[in-house]
Amino acid sequence: QQPVQSPQAVILREGEDAVINCSSSKALYSVHWYRQKHGEAPVFLMILLKGGEQKGHEKISASFNEKKQQSSLYLTASQLSYSGTYFCGTEKTSYDKVIFGPGTSLSVIP
Amino acid sequence: DVKVTQSSRYLVKRTGEKVFLECVQDMDHENMFWYRQDPGLGLRLIYFSYDVKMKEKGDIPEGYSVSREKKERFSLILESASTNQTSMYLCASSSPSEFNTDTQYFGPGTRLTVL
Repeated sequence: QQPVQSPQAVILREGEDAVINCSSSKALYSVHWYRQKHGEAPVFLMILLKGGEQKGHEKISASFNEKKQQSSLYLTASQLSYSGTYFCGTEKTSYDKVIFGPGTSLSVIP
Repeated sequence: DVKVTQSSRYLVKRTGEKVFLECVQDMDHENMFWYRQDPGLGLRLIYFSYDVKMKEKGDIPEGYSVSREKKERFSLILESASTNQTSMYLCASSSPSEFNTDTQYFGPGTRLTVL
């Protein structure tokens, strides 16, 4: 079952923060985050495994609340280069294939 | 760096034509995937393969078939293209990681238009 992402789209000014949420109705083993810039391939950002681990990648970090079956991606002090579509992907077990959400479009403007 | 290449960036075909989309990866990955990407629907899995000559249906396999004769190459075939198969097609490859999860590396995509 496809995870749900919110919001569908967000527009930020440079320097503002944003949070993108990904939730599932099923218990999760892992959550993956990818970013796709316009006209380019999706690029892997990070994986979070069950255990509530928080990870960081430059000014982009994420958390995973396995009780709520939800992950949040935090973008701090956004830059123009953060613009793109962010996808989460979820796995119910380590042997499942990843199922991707519909994506969140993020636009950062000067 | 992992490189996944797809044979065409843009393709225009007519209804009823047989269409081949080719994908090649250079990192000796076991797993390969074909997705289609449509606005508001995200990435939907068509077929995947965990080994040569092995294939598994994804979530939307109808109207498609695949071929994996060599480890590095995974082909998507539209036997008789229809207008509802107009979409962006993305290929990806992966190799199980330390925690047996699946970090996928994507190709640039092929935008297929069926007239």
